[in-house]
Amino acid sequence: NAGVMQNPRHLVRRRGQEARLRCSPMKGHSHVYWYRQLPEEGLKFMVYLQKENIIDESGMPKERFSAEFPKEGPSILRIQQVVRGDSAAYFCASSPQGGNEQYFGPGTRLTVT
Amino acid sequence: LAKTTQPISMDSYEGQEVNITCSHNNIATNDYITWYQQFPSQGPRFIIQGYKTKVTNEVASLFIPADRKSSTLSLPRVSLSDTAVYYCLVGAGTTDSWGKLQFGAGTQVVVTP
Repeated sequence: NAGVMQNPRHLVRRRGQEARLRCSPMKGHSHVYWYRQLPEEGLKFMVYLQKENIIDESGMPKERFSAEFPKEGPSILRIQQVVRGDSAAYFCASSPQGGNEQYFGPGTRLTVT
Repeated sequence: LAKTTQPISMDSYEGQEVNITCSHNNIATNDYITWYQQFPSQGPRFIIQGYKTKVTNEVASLFIPADRKSSTLSLPRVSLSDTAVYYCLVGAGTTDSWGKLQFGAGTQVVVTP
């Protein structure tokens, strides 16, 4: 059973461009979470999704950030008009049901130049 | 969400037992206590979870006193590969915390030969 997959692993964008981060949860997991880890900081919750539904987006910045988890395909975290402050590691996690036991992917390291 | 307090760092030698205590004075009745491990440039890895008394798995033990205001993660006979950051989290007991992991600064454990 493959683990949580994220791609790309590294992403470089210039200021103003869009970044799309993909997450494929573990097989059988319908709950997906996104977290962000800024340099030298801890992980911060961003959003919690189930298939086709956003359950909790209280950690998402109000502008430029959006997330989806369609019926088919991976979950997408989209960042529009990136700025240097968006440079961070973005981790996706999944679980078969909600709760504290989550399985994390290897992360996508976004660098904004 | 209950706030947690844990030591910033701990040093140990190979073969020793490492005990990390986490304080969570405001833990709610339905909250669980969960520990994660994170290596540099990787996503966190679930270690263990418990509600009360003692939980043991192949990796660690978790001790929770009756008042549940603290918990201790015990890593038996650590090796160099146990050098990592260890996070203590509480939650997933109420609807508004369901799935929203709140990571603190964690404890940096360094194991030396």
